[in-house]
Amino acid sequence: QSVLTQPPSVSGAPGQRITFSCTGSSSNIGTGHDVHWYKQVPGTAPKLLIYGNNNRPSGVPDRFSGSKSGTSASLAITGLQAEDEADYYCQSYDDRLSGWVFGGGTKLTVL
Amino acid sequence: EVQLLESGGGLVQPGGSLRLSCVASGFTFSNFATSWVRQAPGKGLEWVSMIFGGGVGTYYADSVKGRFTISRDNSRNTLYLQMNSLRAEDSAVYYCAKQDGQLIGNYCFDYWGQGTLVTVSS
Repeated sequence: QSVLTQPPSVSGAPGQRITFSCTGSSSNIGTGHDVHWYKQVPGTAPKLLIYGNNNRPSGVPDRFSGSKSGTSASLAITGLQAEDEADYYCQSYDDRLSGWVFGGGTKLTVL
Repeated sequence: EVQLLESGGGLVQPGGSLRLSCVASGFTFSNFATSWVRQAPGKGLEWVSMIFGGGVGTYYADSVKGRFTISRDNSRNTLYLQMNSLRAEDSAVYYCAKQDGQLIGNYCFDYWGQGTLVTVSS
């Protein structure tokens, strides 16, 4: 059971807009700690996609955006492409656990 | 270019020990906290341990506290994870990950190594 809750899977057709949810609690996201998002293609290492709730590292297309409100955060992808098919993880810091926590991951299928 | 290269994984019996290494390049290693993050086969990501850039100050997940020890040698740009009393549930790919952020509560993992596989089995 992950500290941050993500739906196991989402799917969408090419060109669509989809969102991923990440639900935490008052000891992590709700405390004000930043949420970060990672993309992982199976068999490869995770890659930072969004940091500080809504910032994109250099090289990440502006089709990807993040937001945070209360104890939850969201990742949105617009103009869905086949290459976006991967697992997506949210991450924050938890004061009660004194450590960094991840969501269980959401598998994106591009139809 | 930032690079992190892990080594030291392998097959070990339950109760055994293993030491992982991660050699960093492309950034000033001593200026950044670095963590180990693991991923069991078919499962999600789990943070394991973190050490500050200067080497003073460490954090551990409850699942490994008392069994694993993180350390670093900044003169060799190398991060280590000494794993003792290994259990089957420690089997995973172990990633070395550089951290960045202004405050510890806002640290992200901005660069990752390719991972090294640890299998605990008799």
